[in-house]
Amino acid sequence: EVQLVESGGGLVQPGGSLRLSCAASGFTFSDHYMDWVRQAPGKGLEWVGRVRKKGNNYSTEYAASVKGRITISRDDSKNSLYLQMNSLATEDTAVYFCVRVMGEAYFGYWGQGTLVTVSS
Amino acid sequence: DIQMTQSPSSLSASVGDRVTISCRASQDIGKYLAWVQQRPGKAPKSLINAASTLQSGVPSKFSGSGSGTDFTLTISSLQPEDFATYYCQQYKAYPLTFGGGTKVEIK
Repeated sequence: EVQLVESGGGLVQPGGSLRLSCAASGFTFSDHYMDWVRQAPGKGLEWVGRVRKKGNNYSTEYAASVKGRITISRDDSKNSLYLQMNSLATEDTAVYFCVRVMGEAYFGYWGQGTLVTVSS
Repeated sequence: DIQMTQSPSSLSASVGDRVTISCRASQDIGKYLAWVQQRPGKAPKSLINAASTLQSGVPSKFSGSGSGTDFTLTISSLQPEDFATYYCQQYKAYPLTFGGGTKVEIK
């Protein structure tokens, strides 16, 4: 059974940093691109970024709204995906979902999400 | 960026109704279009990719169509578990973008 379990969310002050993790199981993690998608309270879905697999040099893509402030990485030996977020602002408050990418293109399975609240 | 526009933003329907949701892309995306369902308080679930291909385990009451800039999601016979918000999403180009969502509510 495919599982994606996010962790690391919580309350952080504006300007602070946070590192989210996503633990994957039930599939060959190293074979898949992985994404982060977020959802602000009461709002729609917003793609955050992507990390490709080893064969693609773990290259990344980011949304303009977060570029320069976030880093997406992965550790295939631990079946884990990470989202390092810096210089957090109130508008970064959201539930952050880890998503398995299928066919190097489209979203497949979604994790349950972890809530990040940026507030003083 | 490719803008995705859904209509309507919300609709009310009864159990057993046939429901259609539209999605329009601001430029030609071929068939690089996905549909995602999100039930209240739950994580999103991928339903359809490549405009019309059902993902594994998705019931056949869901169907997708379209190509280029105009797409449709149809639910053939609405059931209680289908009351949710539906999002279209393009994966033709970065940044990946979603439509604003269509909330399907019980009449």
